[in-house]
Amino acid sequence: NAGVMQNPRHLVRRRGQEARLRCSPMKGHSHVYWYRQLPEEGLKFMVYLQKENIIDESGMPKERFSAEFPKEGPSILRIQQVVRGDSAAYFCASSPRQGGGYNEQFFGPGTRLTVL
Amino acid sequence: GEDVEQSLFLSVREGDSSVINCTYTDSSSTYLYWYKQEPGAGLQLLTYIFSNMDMKQDQRLTVLLNKKDKHLSLRIADTQTGDSAIYFCAETLSGGYNKLIFGAGTRLAVHP
Repeated sequence: NAGVMQNPRHLVRRRGQEARLRCSPMKGHSHVYWYRQLPEEGLKFMVYLQKENIIDESGMPKERFSAEFPKEGPSILRIQQVVRGDSAAYFCASSPRQGGGYNEQFFGPGTRLTVL
Repeated sequence: GEDVEQSLFLSVREGDSSVINCTYTDSSSTYLYWYKQEPGAGLQLLTYIFSNMDMKQDQRLTVLLNKKDKHLSLRIADTQTGDSAIYFCAETLSGGYNKLIFGAGTRLAVHP
């Protein structure tokens, strides 16, 4: 059973370009979380999605950022018109369910975005 | 509010015990976690504790939770050079869709 997969692992963009980050959750997992880690900082929650639904986007910047998790295919985090401050590591995590009780999130290796 | 704080650095000698500390502010924590991150890698869950427990032991790892003081610690016995990494404390909150709230991380350096 493959773990959470993210691609690309490294992404370089120039200011003003678009960045698309992909996350394939573990098999059987229908819940996806995206986190951002700025240099020398901890991870900050961005968005929580289930298949075809955004459940909690309280951590997403109001502009330029969007996320989706379609019925088929990976979850996508999209950043339009990137700026230097978007340079960070973006981590995806998946879990099999949501609700009461312990619910482990399994993390992918991250995508390191560099904006020139 | 939601806030998790950790000291930034810890240096220990190989074979000694390491204790990494964390404080949190929200009293509605359900679970508290310790994650390990090695350079250039993702996060690996080391251990977790339910907020109603006060201690959990797992091989070389001991987690202590003082709910009154909102203080969590991770003790690593017989620390090895392979334990050198960044350790993140995190919590999930009641009603929070299980999103993780992380501290800034403690960089553990193990020297001979």
